[in-house]
Amino acid sequence: GDSVTQMEGPVTLSEEAFLTINCTYTATGYPSLFWYVQYPGEGLQLLLKATKADDKGSNKGFEATYRKETTSFHLEKGSVQVSDSAVYFCALYSSASKIIFGSGTRLSIRP
Amino acid sequence: NAGVTQTPKFQVLKTGQSMTLQCAQDMNHEYMSWYRQDPGMGLRLIHYSVGAGITDQGEVPNGYNVSRSTTEDFPLRLLSAAPSQTSVYFCASRTQGGVTEAFFGQGTRLTVV
Repeated sequence: GDSVTQMEGPVTLSEEAFLTINCTYTATGYPSLFWYVQYPGEGLQLLLKATKADDKGSNKGFEATYRKETTSFHLEKGSVQVSDSAVYFCALYSSASKIIFGSGTRLSIRP
Repeated sequence: NAGVTQTPKFQVLKTGQSMTLQCAQDMNHEYMSWYRQDPGMGLRLIHYSVGAGITDQGEVPNGYNVSRSTTEDFPLRLLSAAPSQTSVYFCASRTQGGVTEAFFGQGTRLTVV
């Protein structure tokens, strides 16, 4: 079945460092892909999405490119801030109209 | 602008007790779902509904019941709580059809002792 694999955390970086969180997927066809973010004590909220191959989703300085050839959707940010500390989930929209989530990556940013 | 509202935020149950987690949305979304979040396992789908009167099982449905009598409400029932159901529960809603954003409630942290 469809699945999402993302890098295990926690990831700890200093402020202004470059961020990459890896995400790969297994799915039938070409699903739409998402990154959701969960700030402490809150529910998940959509960060960005891409609906077809080579699409780049972007929001709040974060970017991710849908790579069909490597079945990947890695999240990147050029300069992280303390306020980016959160748990990040990669997800896909499956052929059965369900959203399937990865296990989440906890990110902590040091001032 | 309430969005998705879950109650309660925290709950402690004894093994064998029953309870209902409430979820309500005011966005007229057809699709609603319940997830549980456990460390290292991400979010797993428990049950979902594509509209009033229609529900279906997700990945981990055992021990849980749902019903959808109105578009707005989608309660999750634990019939006989077990320690394995200790988790954080999230309700989500979205429009049906196409690739649409899911909106999440703030979660219910449940502990079964």
